Amino acid sequence: AQSVTQPDIHITVSEGASLELRCNYSYGATPYLFWYVQSPGQGLQLLLKYFSGDTLVQGIKGFEAEFKRSQSSFNLRKPSVHWSDAAEYFCAVGAWGGSYIPTFGRGTSLIVHP
Amino acid sequence: SQTIHQWPATLVQPVGSPLSLECTVEGTSNPNLYWYRQAAGRGLQLLFYSVGIGQISSEVPQNLSASRPQDRQFILSSKKLLLSDSGFYLCAWSRAGETGELFFGEGSRLTVL
Repeated sequence: AQSVTQPDIHITVSEGASLELRCNYSYGATPYLFWYVQSPGQGLQLLLKYFSGDTLVQGIKGFEAEFKRSQSSFNLRKPSVHWSDAAEYFCAVGAWGGSYIPTFGRGTSLIVHP
Repeated sequence: SQTIHQWPATLVQPVGSPLSLECTVEGTSNPNLYWYRQAAGRGLQLLFYSVGIGQISSEVPQNLSASRPQDRQFILSSKKLLLSDSGFYLCAWSRAGETGELFFGEGSRLTVL
């Protein structure tokens, strides 16, 4: 079965600093990978996704992620964090089970200091 | 464009009372539908998913049930709520046969007292 690990429960950064959120997955085949963002009390919004091809994918709000097969990782990055980026971030892997069923990590809470 | 509506947004219920959360999707046909629960600090737990009318797969045994009476309608129910059912419930949909990209509703906050 597939699984996703987000090792950092909380990450605190200063506004303007760079950001990297870690995600490791376990899946036997080529994974479909996603990053979602959730503002407090809201649903989740897709930031970016990887299906195939270029391993560096660009998303909305200035985020990017890099797929590294050798490390089973799909880390999310942003060169300069804004206060509005404070939110919960979820990594997910899509695996085939009659239809694609995403499995989510536990999430990383991003705190941005002014 | 596609939209997803989920209601009610907030619900406070006594232990032992019934539950009904409803979710509808517009602008697409034959979507895959999902119910997730999000407990504080515990990520998203898949409760049910459906690939078609009347087809429900349960991921976690519990006192909740789901139904899909129409193609774009997904209902989460309980006959008797437990304290442990409190949480944030999210409905989502994806395009059938595609790669699992989900589109989420705004969520329903359930508090069981």
